[in-house]
Amino acid sequence: DTEVTQTPKHLVMGMTNKKSLKCEQHMGHRAMYWYKQKAKKPPELMFVYSYEKLSINESVPSRFSPECPNSSLLNLHLHALQPEDSALYLCASSQGQGSEQYFGPGTRLTVT
Amino acid sequence: GESVGLHLPTLSVQEGDNSIINCAYSNSASDYFIWYKQESGKGPQFIIDIRSNMDKRQGQRVTVLLNKTVKHLSLQIAATQPGDSAVYFCAETPGFQKLVFGTGTRLLVSP
Repeated sequence: DTEVTQTPKHLVMGMTNKKSLKCEQHMGHRAMYWYKQKAKKPPELMFVYSYEKLSINESVPSRFSPECPNSSLLNLHLHALQPEDSALYLCASSQGQGSEQYFGPGTRLTVT
Repeated sequence: GESVGLHLPTLSVQEGDNSIINCAYSNSASDYFIWYKQESGKGPQFIIDIRSNMDKRQGQRVTVLLNKTVKHLSLQIAATQPGDSAVYFCAETPGFQKLVFGTGTRLLVSP
C-alpha cells in the first residue's frame, strides 16, 4: 500500500469554526508532513513530524495546530482561520531524511 | 486573491515529441532532488529522483540531469503523451527533512 489518504476532500468553514483535517498512511513511514498550496504556486512546508514528534514548524500561525496521535495518523486542527488561509492542504509521508515523499490528494479548504 | 499577471511558465509540445523541463535550484548544500508531477485536483506524484553524487539518472521514458556547477536540474520526457499534461515541480532538500519546491512548469501536450 503506497497510498496517503486525506479527509475530507473539501471543507468550507467560517472564521469562527473549529475543524480538523486528517491524514493516514500505512507504509510504515516515520516522517509525516503538512504542506499548504495556493493556486498556481508550489507546495510550501508547514510542519514535519518525525517518530511522532514535531521536528519542524515553519513559523506557522497558531491558528493551525498539528497533532500526530500515532505513527500512521496526522491531524491538522484549524481554529479562527482567515479567508487568506483558503488553499489546498497536502499531507505527505516518507521513510525519513533523503527519501521520497508520498503525497495525499489534499483537502481543498475554503474559509468564508 | 491572485496577483495580477501571476502565471506558470508553460511548455507546449505535440504528442510524440520529447519534452525538456528546466529548473534552477537555490541551495548549494542540497544533496537530494526530486521531480514531481501534479495533475489538476491531485497531490504531487513522484516521477524520479537524483542524489548529488550523480549527474544523470534514467527511468521509464524520463531522464533527470543534474548540473551542480550551475545549480540546474532538467527533466526529459521521451515520446510525450497527452497523459503527461500536468504541472511539473522540481524539489530540493536544503536541510534535514525539508523539501523546497521550485515554481513549477505547466506541460501541455496536444494530440
